Amino acid sequence: DQQVKQNSPSLSVQEGRISILNCDYTNSMFDYFLWYKKYPAEGPTFLISISSIKDKNEDGRFTVFLNKSAKHLSLHIVPSQPGDSAVYFCAASAEGGSNYKLTFGKGTLLTVNP
Amino acid sequence: ETGVTQSPTHLIKTRGQQVTLRCSSQSGHNTVSWYQQALGQGPQFIFQYYREEENGRGNFPPRFSGLQFPNYSSELNVNALELDDSALYLCASSLSGLFGYTFGSGTRLTIV
Repeated sequence: DQQVKQNSPSLSVQEGRISILNCDYTNSMFDYFLWYKKYPAEGPTFLISISSIKDKNEDGRFTVFLNKSAKHLSLHIVPSQPGDSAVYFCAASAEGGSNYKLTFGKGTLLTVNP
Repeated sequence: ETGVTQSPTHLIKTRGQQVTLRCSSQSGHNTVSWYQQALGQGPQFIFQYYREEENGRGNFPPRFSGLQFPNYSSELNVNALELDDSALYLCASSLSGLFGYTFGSGTRLTIV
């Protein structure tokens, strides 16, 4: 039973355009959500997070939106750059804001074309 | 500030053998978590260590065990290796389980 789902295995966008990566979850106990980026042969790198008490969090070109009623979150990257090409993982925790015992999705491979 | 380092980077073992993977946490971090990432999957939580004690475990059998040392470095031990144990094993450190993890680059374990 997959509690965190990233239904798009891959996404391709043009440089300068918006990239939107989606994530759905089923466990209503999740209260903290994170996005990680992973380049080949490297470990995942923390990108941005959001608590369930918020519906939006912004950090530079990255914005995460949370829709609790739909159990859906999305990561927007604007503008997209070729260096953003990587696998993006959505992760969730039910531990009150800590990153204990994260549940990850399978990831979405983002390709930003010059 | 050093990041999380894992050793070895690659390892090939035979079914039934035992393996020990090592992790040095980022300076100042006291919590270490281990994740298993099978091919085409997201990382899956194995367990977490805080102040040398296991303080949480995912859905993994007892043949997966670990240690954390006074300097907060950690080991993951797997006994009676099975073919399905082939995966990338990621170590992540944090300060008391807060904020984003810092992940290492992982150990690629192949069971033949």
